[in-house]
Amino acid sequence: GAGVSQSPSNKVTEKGKDVELRCDPISGHTALYWYRQSLGQGLEFLIYFQGNSAPDKSGLPSDRFSAERTGGSVSTLTIQRTQQEDSAVYLCASSRGGANVLTFGAGSRLTVL
Amino acid sequence: AQKVTQAQTEISVVEKEDVTLDCVYETRDTTYYLFWYKQPPSGELVFLIRRNSFDEQNEISGRYSWNFQKSTSSFNFTITASQVVDSAVYFCALSALYNTDKLIFGTGTRLQVFP
Repeated sequence: GAGVSQSPSNKVTEKGKDVELRCDPISGHTALYWYRQSLGQGLEFLIYFQGNSAPDKSGLPSDRFSAERTGGSVSTLTIQRTQQEDSAVYLCASSRGGANVLTFGAGSRLTVL
Repeated sequence: AQKVTQAQTEISVVEKEDVTLDCVYETRDTTYYLFWYKQPPSGELVFLIRRNSFDEQNEISGRYSWNFQKSTSSFNFTITASQVVDSAVYFCALSALYNTDKLIFGTGTRLQVFP
């Protein structure tokens, strides 16, 4: 597509439920990133996929968070047993890799009640 | 450790005023990239500029200009003759030169331009 597409744009869930957030990167972009933006905070790096290499998961805050990227394209970020502190905007970005500029999606706003 | 500090949480100006957004960074790398992104109310971050550490020349693009000073580890952003459409959150970020796999972002500065 023309840009990075994320769904859902808004998700409200109850504490303890699992959620899945989807990212569809720009066609041909080999690198895909997930960031988290909490209220009043900067963007926090979560995970990075590059081609067929093992993902860099160093930013995932706990083992409740996981992400996968199928076929080198679409990615799903899964949060299990959600907590209120997981409430944030989750931003996905993609690039051609290397030193290329990241293009961001509009984000998925997660609210955990 | 790498760190980006945007000390200004929120700035309010009246249209046509000039405004400067400050960015100070810390890195042990001798080569790196610096970025500015704009996040309008729609939420999507929009890339504005990337500057590598080799190039300290200031840059001007229309009403936007950037002042990069390695001596003070700063990469400040000035909007001249601000407009209401400039209202957004602006993020400064830092990455390694040859791989932007981890952009380190500042906490952002919310700019409100009033008519």
